[in-house]
Amino acid sequence: DTGVSQDPRHKITKRGQNVTFRCDPISEHNRLYWYRQTLGQGPEFLTYFQNEAQLEKSRLLSDRFSAERPKGSFSTLEIQRTEQGDSAMYLCASSGNRGGNEKLFFGSGTQLSVL
Amino acid sequence: DAKTTQPNSMESNEEEPVHLPCNHSTISGTDYIHWYRQLPSQGPEYVIHGLTSNVNNRMASLAIAEDRKSSTLILHRATLRDAAVYYCSSRNSGGSNYKLTFGKGTLLTVNP
Repeated sequence: DTGVSQDPRHKITKRGQNVTFRCDPISEHNRLYWYRQTLGQGPEFLTYFQNEAQLEKSRLLSDRFSAERPKGSFSTLEIQRTEQGDSAMYLCASSGNRGGNEKLFFGSGTQLSVL
Repeated sequence: DAKTTQPNSMESNEEEPVHLPCNHSTISGTDYIHWYRQLPSQGPEYVIHGLTSNVNNRMASLAIAEDRKSSTLILHRATLRDAAVYYCSSRNSGGSNYKLTFGKGTLLTVNP
């Protein structure tokens, strides 16, 4: 069990560019979550996958954001035409199948800076 | 989604107990109460969770009020490594997503 991996750890981009982040969950976990966190705030829910199905998207996830989880394994989060307001830590988490009575495992996050 | 309210910051001395409070007055009957902590530049780390009964593990204890509108995370003997932001959150188990909803957290400072 190597935990949840996220890549890259840091990303600096210019406004208007597209960026893609990758998350590798714990292998036996079928639930995968993306969160966004800005300085001084708690993580905010973005979207959730159960296996390969994206079951919920937050209002925070504008049409410039897209997430995929092909084959129910790793996941990618893409931001198109980045804006300075997209600068944040993007966190991925995974969990198993026992509903609310199960903890989430978080990755170390991808810190995005949009210049 | 249930909202959680925590003090912005708390301070403790090393080797003393710490009681971190959380209000979650809008929590539903099937939502679990989860606590996570976060060090700078790291993702949140699970601490403990519970539904109705008090819970203990090697890291901490969780005391849940009888009406479930509040809970307290108890660190029995704080160490310098316990300095972190502590988040109280509810985990929706009544719907289909089981997402965690976080508040702003409590910054715990531990003095040597």
